Amino acid sequence: KAGVTQTPRYLIKTRGQQVTLSCSPISGHRSVSWYQQTPGQGLQFLFEYFSETQRNKGNFPGRFSGRQFSNSRSEMNVSTLELGDSALYLCASSLPSGQPDEQYFGPGTRLTVT
Amino acid sequence: DQQVKQNSPSLSVQEGRISILNCDYTNSMFDYFLWYKKYPAEGPTFLISISSIKDKNEDGRFTVFLNKSAKHLSLHIVPSQPGDSAVYFCAATQAGTALIFGKGTTLSVSS
Repeated sequence: KAGVTQTPRYLIKTRGQQVTLSCSPISGHRSVSWYQQTPGQGLQFLFEYFSETQRNKGNFPGRFSGRQFSNSRSEMNVSTLELGDSALYLCASSLPSGQPDEQYFGPGTRLTVT
Repeated sequence: DQQVKQNSPSLSVQEGRISILNCDYTNSMFDYFLWYKKYPAEGPTFLISISSIKDKNEDGRFTVFLNKSAKHLSLHIVPSQPGDSAVYFCAATQAGTALIFGKGTTLSVSS
């Protein structure tokens, strides 16, 4: 079974631009969560989508948004990029009623904002 | 306000010895705790978990201990191997809500 895939793996953007990251969950998984990893803050939860609806949301500004499609694929968008948005963005998928330890992570997208 | 804290950014251990990684939490409502391991350029992978109704869970070389009164959990790796060198994240959750992660501890196991 293929794992969680994220595209692109690496991205360089300029301050003020916007960016869209993509996540394809494991086949059959309908829940997708997004996390931001930075050296100083560890992994921080952004949001979770299930059946195209946002189910949980972390404490991030409105510049961070996401959506989920009917095939469970998810996208995350960051508008008006700031230097502090440079981070590894991780996506994780799980079954609808999956236990917390059944969340599988993708390799991440490394975003650099210059 | 950090609800899950890993106060040691790094730990160095010799091969064959025990590695002990620590994690403290502040929210007494957390009911499930997990440890993840992360290699560079890869996403975190689940290692071991423990429910708040238990105080110990063991899986091969990995054991997690939970001390609810102290709001403290630890991960023991015995014996440590060079392949265990990675960043270890502690995470906690309450009733299926989002995972709250600590900042991670980098473990280096030397041969």
